[in-house]
Amino acid sequence: DAGITQSPRYKITETGRQVTLMCHQTWSHSYMFWYRQDLGHGLRLIYYSAAADITDKGEVPDGYVVSRSKTENFPLTLESATRSQTSVYFCASRGIASGANVLTFGAGSRLTVL
Amino acid sequence: AQSVAQPEDQVNVAEGNPLTVKCTYSVSGNPYLFWYVQYPNRGLQFLLKYITGDNLVKGSYGFEAEFNKSQTSFHLKKPSALVSDSALYFCAVRDPRTGRRALTFGSGTRLQVQP
Repeated sequence: DAGITQSPRYKITETGRQVTLMCHQTWSHSYMFWYRQDLGHGLRLIYYSAAADITDKGEVPDGYVVSRSKTENFPLTLESATRSQTSVYFCASRGIASGANVLTFGAGSRLTVL
Repeated sequence: AQSVAQPEDQVNVAEGNPLTVKCTYSVSGNPYLFWYVQYPNRGLQFLLKYITGDNLVKGSYGFEAEFNKSQTSFHLKKPSALVSDSALYFCAVRDPRTGRRALTFGSGTRLQVQP
């Protein structure tokens, strides 16, 4: 299916566990982003990627790791989950064409850390 | 640094009445501005954007927004609200001069349209 898909949609884990959230897009967009959504904070940028093997930190990168070995995939890993990382995580992508500033979002992954 | 403020956590309006959701921004240069809408348990959907040109931009579902450089605002408007417009609305900004590719979002405004 065309679009941007995130998995899992829901995840419950325990403090200290490693968790990986997957993001896959079918448009061959160059840019991909990870945001977290928390009440009162809106969306905050965790990491982004301009192309395969190019990643950069956003506002709140601590505790997260990303990779981009293929253009279509941008997984987000919590190496040792903490309760403060309980959140809804959104992946987004966009192309590089002029005017193509619009982000397209996935449906989100709701993560609960106990 | 680029930032966005949405001063209202919630806006209540009666169906059929006009609605306004406020947004102010801060960037060092000329901004790219966006509005997104989020329905329950869904990702964000693009509504409209201002890049350059006419200060009044029209978007999806009858929404429009006016870019006001002197007031650094980009308020979202609709002449006649529908119950189905009830959702969470986010304003976002990007300063293209900085090379930063990501959007900065506001904290969101919940729009509640009463029948």
